[in-house]
Amino acid sequence: QMQLVQSGAEVKKPGASVKLSCTASGYPFTNYYIHWVRQAPGQGLEWMGIINPRASTTTYAPEFLDRVTMTRDTSTRTVYMELGSLRLEDTAVYFCVRDPDGFDIWGQGTMVTVSS
Amino acid sequence: EIVLTQSPVTLSLSPGERATLSCRASPSVGTSLAWYQQKPGQAPRLLIYDASTRATGIPARFSGSGSGTDFTLTITSLEPEDFAVYYCQRRSNWPYTFGQGTKLEIK
Repeated sequence: QMQLVQSGAEVKKPGASVKLSCTASGYPFTNYYIHWVRQAPGQGLEWMGIINPRASTTTYAPEFLDRVTMTRDTSTRTVYMELGSLRLEDTAVYFCVRDPDGFDIWGQGTMVTVSS
Repeated sequence: EIVLTQSPVTLSLSPGERATLSCRASPSVGTSLAWYQQKPGQAPRLLIYDASTRATGIPARFSGSGSGTDFTLTITSLEPEDFAVYYCQRRSNWPYTFGQGTKLEIK
């Protein structure tokens, strides 16, 4: 069964960093790009960036360029997304998603709450 | 910057009716467009990619059309489970921007 399993919910203070994980199973890990998408409460979907698990190359959305880092560990089939300098408006559900032709497999989402 | 504008914002229909959702891209995205369905508390589900190709397991009542700047998602004969929020997404180049969504609600 192909799936992406994400780490659990996080609560952080403004200015802190958070590192989320996304572990793939059921398919060749290095064959498909992984994206990160977030969704603030009651809002739409926002694309954050992409990582190529084979080459470890990344591209980030301009609005996150200076505070996001995506990495991967092929030995554990895991992708990580670290977001720094957290603000209240970073409160959202963060999804990792596989991309062959369209975002076909989504993680269950990780709720990140930023609160003072 | 490519902008995707979806219309209407909300669409109120009854089961059995036909739904037509629009997504306009500026500038053109060719046929590099996808559609997703999202229900409350769930991750989105891929419906259509490359503007008109149904994803695996998607019922035939869902169809996509269009190219360039104007795209349409059509749902023929709405089922109760089809009432949800629908997003379009450009896939021509990064960033893979989403539209703001259309909420399909029961009339």
